[in-house]
Amino acid sequence: ETGVTQSPTHLIKTRGQQVTLRCSSQSGHNTVSWYQQALGQGPQFIFQYYREEENGRGNFPPRFSGLQFPNYSSELNVNALELDDSALYLCASSLGQGAGETQYFGPGTRLLVL
Amino acid sequence: DAKTTQPPSMDCAEGRAANLPCNHSTISGNEYVYWYRQIHSQGPQYIIHGLKNNETNEMASLIITEDRKSSTLILPHATLRDTAVYYCIAKTYSGAGSYQLTFGKGTKLSVIP
Repeated sequence: ETGVTQSPTHLIKTRGQQVTLRCSSQSGHNTVSWYQQALGQGPQFIFQYYREEENGRGNFPPRFSGLQFPNYSSELNVNALELDDSALYLCASSLGQGAGETQYFGPGTRLLVL
Repeated sequence: DAKTTQPPSMDCAEGRAANLPCNHSTISGNEYVYWYRQIHSQGPQYIIHGLKNNETNEMASLIITEDRKSSTLILPHATLRDTAVYYCIAKTYSGAGSYQLTFGKGTKLSVIP
């Protein structure tokens, strides 16, 4: 059984650019959540996708957007990149969106904004 | 904001049990307590979770107090590979039927030879 995978592993962008990060969920998982982890901090919830719809969002501006595809893979898009967007971006998949459904994390994408 | 508080760091001798405490006095009745660990900025690794009852799996045991205000993660025989940041998390409702993991700062566990 394949776990959660993310691509690319590392990325360097300049301020003002746009970036797309990708996540393939674990087999059978229909829910994907995205988190941002700044250096030295715990991950912060960005949003969650369930059956191709965004159904929960943290305290992030609209320039953070996403998609979920019919095969439950997902993309995170960030427009107008700022220096503070430099972070490890993590996605996690789960069998469902319920409180007792465990989220399993991928290895993350390290984004550096210059 | 995180609903959990943990000590910033702990040491444990290799081969001994590591007991990691967590306070969650404001947790509500339907919020699960989850434990994850993170090694060298890899993705967080799931360890265990519980609601009211104590839980055990192949990695660890989770002891939740009867009033649900605190819990303890127990690694029965710590090894050097258990050195990591351990996060105790209350899984909170984030709207539209979804739940999110709200991470705090975690406990840096160092296993000492």
